[in-house]
Amino acid sequence: AQKITQTQPGMFVQEKEAVTLDCTYDTSDQSYGLFWYKQPSSGEMIFLIYQGSYDEQNATEGRYSLNFQKARKSANLVISASQLGDSAMYFCAMRESGDGSARQLTFGSGTQLTVLP
Amino acid sequence: DSGVTQTPKHLITATGQRVTLRCSPRSGDLSVYWYQQSLDQGLQFLIQYYNGEERAKGNILERFSAQQFPDLHSELNLSSLELGDSALYFCASSVALGQAYEQYFGPGTRLTVT
Repeated sequence: AQKITQTQPGMFVQEKEAVTLDCTYDTSDQSYGLFWYKQPSSGEMIFLIYQGSYDEQNATEGRYSLNFQKARKSANLVISASQLGDSAMYFCAMRESGDGSARQLTFGSGTQLTVLP
Repeated sequence: DSGVTQTPKHLITATGQRVTLRCSPRSGDLSVYWYQQSLDQGLQFLIQYYNGEERAKGNILERFSAQQFPDLHSELNLSSLELGDSALYFCASSVALGQAYEQYFGPGTRLTVT
């Protein structure tokens, strides 16, 4: 089974509108972390936001917020007031507690967001 | 700018050749990760080092190897290159091994094998 599932290959949003990018995950660990990264066309990976599995509050970073629903195993990214510069590929990723030493990220397949003027 | 540097930015080479990709982590970061991003496989974890020691291996081919040096920079060596090795190779670093520490990615090295 896929550990991270992003079901929206592409999304369009009007400038200044809010948009939600979906992410569901699969893990048997109790302790894990969820991350969102942005990859513009230039190729770099930009860290956006982090949510720990034990965090009771949804994470927020500026215009980004993470809608964390633990029972549903979902960690959707909400971008408010979209800007043209938000057009990029967005990746959801998970870090499981594993054996306590390895901390690699498992990525979803990404969602290509296009912001329309 | 994440503070992670990778060289070279682009690399074009022929099948059968060997290349070395270099990564310098953010100042103070002890952990280095290598990822491969290709169209068919997506973003995949290759290998992780922490303070000079290998900590985890992912989908890394036997033709690939890596190391982390005492100054914490890391190199990824790719040998007997095949067309399918063409990809964007990322290095990422984090300060420690804890669950909450985000990984900061370098700009990547785009490898084209012809």
